[in-house]
Amino acid sequence: GQSLEQPSEVTAVEGAIVQINCTYQTSGFYGLSWYQQHDGGAPTFLSYNALDGLEETGRFSSFLSRSDSYGYLLLQELQMKDSASYFCVLGGDYKLSFGAGTTVTVRA
Amino acid sequence: DTEVTQTPKHLVMGMTNKKSLKCEQHMGHRAMYWYKQKAKKPPELMFVYSYEKLSINESVPSRFSPECPNSSLLNLHLHALQPEDSALYLCASSGAGPADVYEQYFGPGTRLTVT
Repeated sequence: GQSLEQPSEVTAVEGAIVQINCTYQTSGFYGLSWYQQHDGGAPTFLSYNALDGLEETGRFSSFLSRSDSYGYLLLQELQMKDSASYFCVLGGDYKLSFGAGTTVTVRA
Repeated sequence: DTEVTQTPKHLVMGMTNKKSLKCEQHMGHRAMYWYKQKAKKPPELMFVYSYEKLSINESVPSRFSPECPNSSLLNLHLHALQPEDSALYLCASSGAGPADVYEQYFGPGTRLTVT
């Protein structure tokens, strides 16, 4: 089976940097994705890591270490609109398994 | 067009009713998914269609019946639901390759209430 662990909540001020860590256990690794979901909205794809290293997309970056079964999502220059839930997601066998999600609250 | 649409946005149904949820995408994706999401919880996979054929059923009760009439449409037929089935039902699509599953496009969902 698969399991993922990520913090339940993170609070930070505008302009700050937030790192959301994700550790996972899986019998077969295919990749780690990150999704954002605003309250009342649909999940939106942010990034995907299949190999070790850092992937950068604008203010958001995602990192993966397969040897440590660990990844993180880095949110830089936080804005109020970044207040949302962030899910780390394992893929494999043509389906996704979502972590429990981290609620990020950005304060002015 | 990078949009997945779902109808209706809201649905209230009794336990003896039959209703259907509809999903449509025009991105040329050949994989489509149904998820169920309860409040403050992550989406849970229900069904996967690949090339219009059901490829994954995550042990979903038979009162939920999926249908994929063509490559752009996905339906979820509902019958004899229970109050605990009240949730947000999300449709998603992606390419059908093994790496494509990681980048899914979600519709806005149908908020279902079973009374």
